[in-house]
Amino acid sequence: QFQLQESGPGLVKPSETLSLICTVSGGSMRSSSYYWGWIRQPPGKGLEWIGSIYYSGSTYYSPSLKTRVTTSVDTSKNQFSLRLTSVTAVDTAVYYCARGIVGANYLYAFDIWGQGTMVTVSS
Amino acid sequence: DIQMTQSPSSLSASVGDRVTITCRASLGIRNDLGWFQQKPGKAPKRLIYAASTLQSGVPSRFSGSGSGTEFTLTISSLQPEDFATYYCLQHNNYPWTFGQGTKVEIK
Repeated sequence: QFQLQESGPGLVKPSETLSLICTVSGGSMRSSSYYWGWIRQPPGKGLEWIGSIYYSGSTYYSPSLKTRVTTSVDTSKNQFSLRLTSVTAVDTAVYYCARGIVGANYLYAFDIWGQGTMVTVSS
Repeated sequence: DIQMTQSPSSLSASVGDRVTITCRASLGIRNDLGWFQQKPGKAPKRLIYAASTLQSGVPSRFSGSGSGTEFTLTISSLQPEDFATYYCLQHNNYPWTFGQGTKVEIK
């Protein structure tokens, strides 16, 4: 059974870079059958899609974050990562990583999620 | 960008009630929609995928319907464990977008 676990600093200073890792266990990332994503949720607010990355290396990002966000996959470590530069207080949120499935004729929305990690941007 | 308008934003209901939540897409998205349940302090959990397919292990009182621009999530008989916030997600076109959420509370 696939499991995902986010890790990274819980506190980041304004203007610095937020870096998170999602470690995948219970299965291999070395498959074109999966894609990987990041979603965040500010305190008391709704869910916001950040971006998705595919086995091919293709990436897609939210337009509002596109100039500041980078995602990558390290299949040798069974991990994928998120980098968000020049953070401000509005980037304070719970950050989730998630897995989706690439079917033969259909792309399935995120079926497995990490538990989430709270990141606070403050000096 | 495709906007997802979810309604209502909150509702109060009693155990045993039938509950319906709607998501409307600003453009047609075929059936590229999922429904998620989120309880306080927990990660979202997928209930429905491809607009109407029940996730394995999810009780059959949950159902999804719709295609194109209008979608519904129905809980046929609300149970105590169903009090939570529900979100739709369109994954037809980037950027993917979530509905604003519907908080289901106890009446």
